[in-house]
Amino acid sequence: EPEVTQTPSHQVTQMGQEVILRCVPISNHLYFYWYRQILGQKVEFLVSFYNNEISEKSEIFDDQFSVERPDGSNFTLKIRSTKLEDSAMYFCASSAYNEQFFGPGTRLTVL
Amino acid sequence: TQLLEQSPQFLSIQEGENLTVYCNSSSVFSSLQWYRQEPGEGPVLLVTVVTGGEVKKLKRLTFQFGDARKDSSLHITAAQPGDTGLYLCAGARGNEKLTFGTGTRLTIIP
Repeated sequence: EPEVTQTPSHQVTQMGQEVILRCVPISNHLYFYWYRQILGQKVEFLVSFYNNEISEKSEIFDDQFSVERPDGSNFTLKIRSTKLEDSAMYFCASSAYNEQFFGPGTRLTVL
Repeated sequence: TQLLEQSPQFLSIQEGENLTVYCNSSSVFSSLQWYRQEPGEGPVLLVTVVTGGEVKKLKRLTFQFGDARKDSSLHITAAQPGDTGLYLCAGARGNEKLTFGTGTRLTIIP
C-alpha cells in the first residue's frame, strides 16, 4: 500500500542553523501539506502546496519557512535560522482529493 | 477561526464496554476525517465522512457525520485494549488544510 515517507526521522540542530525536512508524497497525489505538532499540543497546519505553488499558509509560516518540490517525487520544508520554539514533530501529508495521508514525521530538536 | 472541540478529552473504560467520542464545531466542513495517532508517530487515517448524516462502519467502530456537517461522533462497541490510543477528528473544505480537534485519549483497561 502506498505511503508517505519522511526523512530524517530525527533531526537535532543548533539554534540559528538551517534544516531541510524531506517528504516523498504518495505518487499520484497532487496536493501536499506540512503540519507540525509541538509536544502535547494539537496538530497545526503550516502550508499547502498545489501545482508547484503555495495554495495556503498559516500565520506560523513566515519568512523563516519555505517549501519546494525540487523534482517529481520530493517535497521539502526548509526552516532557516531555527529557534528553540521550532522544536516539534513535523508531518508531511498528501492528498488526491479530500483524504489526507500523513507521513511518520520528523522530530526536530533545536538546542 | 474554525475550531473543533472533542469530548471527552480523556476516557478510561473497561474492556468490553461501549463508548462514544464527540467532535463538535460551529463551522461547516465538506469532509471530516478521523485519525488515530500513536506516540511519536503520524496520524493514521481511519475514515472520511463527506455527506451529512453519513454513517460508516469499520469493524467495531462506527462513525457518523452530523446532518449539518458541523459535528461527528465515533462509537466503539465492545472496546478492546488494542483500541487504546489518541483519536483525532479533523475537518476540511475540499483540498484545504485540515483543522484538527483537541483529541481524545482513550485507555481500555483489560
